[in-house]
Parts: sequence; C-alpha cells; structure tokens
Amino acid sequence: AQSVTQLDSHVSVSEGTPVLLRCNYSSSYSPSLFWYVQHPNKGLQLLLKYTSAATLVKGINGFEAEFKKSETSFHLTKPSAHMSDAAEYFCVVSGTPINTGTASKLTFGTGTRLQVTL
Amino acid sequence: DTGVSQDPRHKITKRGQNVTFRCDPISEHNRLYWYRQTLGQGPEFLTYFQNEAQLEKSRLLSDRFSAERPKGSFSTLEIQRTEQGDSAMYLCASSPGRTSSTDTQYFGPGTRLTVL
Repeated sequence: AQSVTQLDSHVSVSEGTPVLLRCNYSSSYSPSLFWYVQHPNKGLQLLLKYTSAATLVKGINGFEAEFKKSETSFHLTKPSAHMSDAAEYFCVVSGTPINTGTASKLTFGTGTRLQVTL
Repeated sequence: DTGVSQDPRHKITKRGQNVTFRCDPISEHNRLYWYRQTLGQGPEFLTYFQNEAQLEKSRLLSDRFSAERPKGSFSTLEIQRTEQGDSAMYLCASSPGRTSSTDTQYFGPGTRLTVL
C-alpha cells in the first residue's frame, strides 16, 4: 500500500521569502506523485505531477518539486511567496506504478496550510 | 472552460433523510472518481467508474451509499438514511483515461453536506 506524510501541518512565511512544503512517500513501486492546492471554497487544483521524465518538476505559479528516490521525498518549493499562495496544499500518491495509464485512486496527505504574511 | 461540475454545492439535511449528488465530468473523460473530505483531512477515495462500469469501491462506502454512472456520462452519489457522521465535502474528479501516460485527475468544487 502507498502512503504520504506531510511533515508540517502549518507553514507561515513572509511575502517574498522562499516556500518549502515537505512530503515523504511510501510505495512498493515507482509511484506517480502530485501536488494539489485547495483555496478556500474552491476545488482542488493540480500544481504539478511527477512522471519520471525529470526529477525536478515545474508546475504552475512558480512552484517546483524535486523527486528524491533515495530519500523518498517530494518536497514543494517556490522561490518567492505571494499573498495569493495562501491555501491548503496536498501531497498525493497514486495507487499504480508510474506511466502505466491504469486507473487509480489517489492517496492524499493530511495537508499543509500555508500562511503568507506581509 | 468546462471543468468538472457538481450539484448542489451545499446540502443541509436532517438525519435519516436520503440525499443525492450529481457530478458532470469533463467532456470525453471516461474515468470518474468520488472522494470524501472531512474537516482538517485530505480527501479519501470512495469509488471510481470506467465509463459506466463501477470498478472499485472503498470499504468507506457502506451499504447506505450507492453510486451510478448511466451511459458513462454524469454520475450520481446517493446516501440513504443519512447520519451525522456523513457530514463532509464530497468531491468528484474525472480523468481522460490515457493508457500510455500518467492519468491525471481533475476535481470539481465539491458538494458540502451537513447532516443535522
């Protein structure tokens, strides 16, 4: 079975400073990994996904994540936080091996709430 | 942009009543998923459809829950004899069902259920 652990339930940064949201995964095969963002009263939006093409994955709104197999980590970063980045972020692992195209349930972490202050 | 839509967005009901939610996936997506999200938690998988066939159900989906996807288009999720523990956000997602790459799920805004 696969699982994800988001190491921080809440992260607070000042606007213009770097963002780091930490995620560790557990899987018996090479998994597909995702980061989703959820703004209040809005649906989940895909930020980025790891598909094995490159270990450094670029997403929308300046976010990036690096897949490190040796550390079983998939941390999310952004060089400079913006007020509009304040939201709940979920690290997600799929239930089937990467790039198989098989339908799969997603397993979500418990989420990290990002607060951005002036 | 016709993303995943869900109706209603909010539902308040009394314990013991039946409720039904609807999900319209992105056009031409042949996979459809239901998830449930309780306060302070990440979404949890309930069930999924490949076209009209329901192929997997979570043990979270008790016999009071039933989901359908007639004709492989929209889907409905019904909860019978609601309980206060059913209060949650019910999320629907769809994916293209590509077989040669990682299949990506796109989520709707959710239906928030409150059982009094």
